[in-house]
Amino acid sequence: QQQVKQSPQSLIVQKGGISIINCAYENTAFDYFPWYQQFPGKGPALLIAIRPDVSEKKEGRFTISFNKSAKQFSLHIMDSQPGDSATYFCAASVDNAGNMLTFGGGTRLMVKP
Amino acid sequence: KAGVTQTPRYLIKTRGQQVTLSCSPISGHRSVSWYQQTPGQGLQFLFEYFSETQRNKGNFPGRFSGRQFSNSRSEMNVSTLELGDSALYLCASSWRGNQPQHFGDGTRLSIL
Repeated sequence: QQQVKQSPQSLIVQKGGISIINCAYENTAFDYFPWYQQFPGKGPALLIAIRPDVSEKKEGRFTISFNKSAKQFSLHIMDSQPGDSATYFCAASVDNAGNMLTFGGGTRLMVKP
Repeated sequence: KAGVTQTPRYLIKTRGQQVTLSCSPISGHRSVSWYQQTPGQGLQFLFEYFSETQRNKGNFPGRFSGRQFSNSRSEMNVSTLELGDSALYLCASSWRGNQPQHFGDGTRLSIL
C-alpha cells in the first residue's frame, strides 16, 4: 500500500519559473512532512520540513504548503534555476514513533536555461 | 562536522552470497535508519536502530538484518543474496528519536 502519492513523476520548467510538486497521504497519524532533494550519485538531502500545526513554511526559494483536511502537501520552488535540476521526494512519518520515513515516488525536475 | 559515511560505496556480489554494509552516523547522532532505493520500488524503509536497539522494522524478509554498536555506528547484513537485492542502500542518522534525518551517499550493491 503506497501511503504517500507524489505527482508529477517528471517536470520540465523554464529558468525563472515556478516548480510545483504535490503529495497526498493516507495515514492520518503522520505528523512530520519533509522534502528531500537528490542529485545523481548522492544521497537525499533535507530541503525543508513542515508539521501539521502550520499551513505554510518558507525557506528561501522553497515553500511547503500543507492542507491537513485534504491530506495533501506541496513543494513550490520559486525562480527555478538549472542547479535545481534533481529528483525531489516528499516523505511523511509519525513523529513519536521513531525515524521511519514513508517516501513518495519522486519527481524528476529539469529546469531549462 | 563530518556527514554520514557509508562504506563501501560500491559492491558487486553473486547470488547466494552474503554482504555487510557499514554506516558511521554524524557525531552525536544516536538514531540510524536504513533504506533501500530501487527504480521500481523507490525509497523503502528497512529498519531503525536507536541506542543499540532495533526500534522499527520495515516490510523486508528476515534475510535483511542489522545492528548498532555502542559508538552508534551501524551495520546491515543481507544473506543469501538475490538478483532483486540490487539497489542503493542508504543510511540516515539523527540526533535522537526525532527528525530530521541526514542521509549518506549510499552503497551501490549489484548482484550478478
